[in-house]
Amino acid sequence: GENVEQHPSTLSVQEGDSAVIKCTYSDSASNYFPWYKQELGKRPQLIIDIRSNVGEKKDQRIAVTLNKTAKHFSLHITETQPEDSAVYFCAASSRGGYNKLIFGAGTRLAVHP
Amino acid sequence: GAVVSQHPSRVICKSGTSVKIECRSLDFQATTMFWYRQFPKQSLMLMATSNEGSKATYEQGVEKDKFLINHASLTLSTLTVTSAHPEDSSFYICSARPQGRGDYNEQFFGPGTRLTVL
Repeated sequence: GENVEQHPSTLSVQEGDSAVIKCTYSDSASNYFPWYKQELGKRPQLIIDIRSNVGEKKDQRIAVTLNKTAKHFSLHITETQPEDSAVYFCAASSRGGYNKLIFGAGTRLAVHP
Repeated sequence: GAVVSQHPSRVICKSGTSVKIECRSLDFQATTMFWYRQFPKQSLMLMATSNEGSKATYEQGVEKDKFLINHASLTLSTLTVTSAHPEDSSFYICSARPQGRGDYNEQFFGPGTRLTVL
């Protein structure tokens, strides 16, 4: 079945450093790849997304890259701040059923002042 | 725009009772809504896809007779957990996909409902 693998499960960085989270997906038909930030007890918030016809997208300190051949996409956060601390989830769309999203296991990011 | 609400935000119930959770799209119409369950420190697991006017599509391993889904209108889907047991305690989150938008894949999430079964 469809699967999304996400690494690392935890990531600890110093304020100002960069953070990179990587995901791989199994469904070659996936064409939409969002990234969500979730704080404890809150809803997931979309922070950036990329579609299969684009290789890279950037929004201020956040960027996402997509390698369709390798079925691999990554989230890059530069100049990290303590408020970036949260759990980050990648997801990939699945053609099997109303373009549902398959989520990765999540990465707990801690940014230390 | 694209606001999704859920009610209730928290519910505590006794084992064996049923609990209904509502998911509403407040400023858009949604032909498709999704129901997820999230256990502590885990990812969002899709339970079912809810389509207005038709039967829900359940993911493998999700009991459709236990988790009843009704998508009666373009702005409302409900999830009823029947005969709830302590192992059903979890964070239930819905999402909605706007109808007729170019961003066909984008989903907007509700704030979640924390269910505790005693």
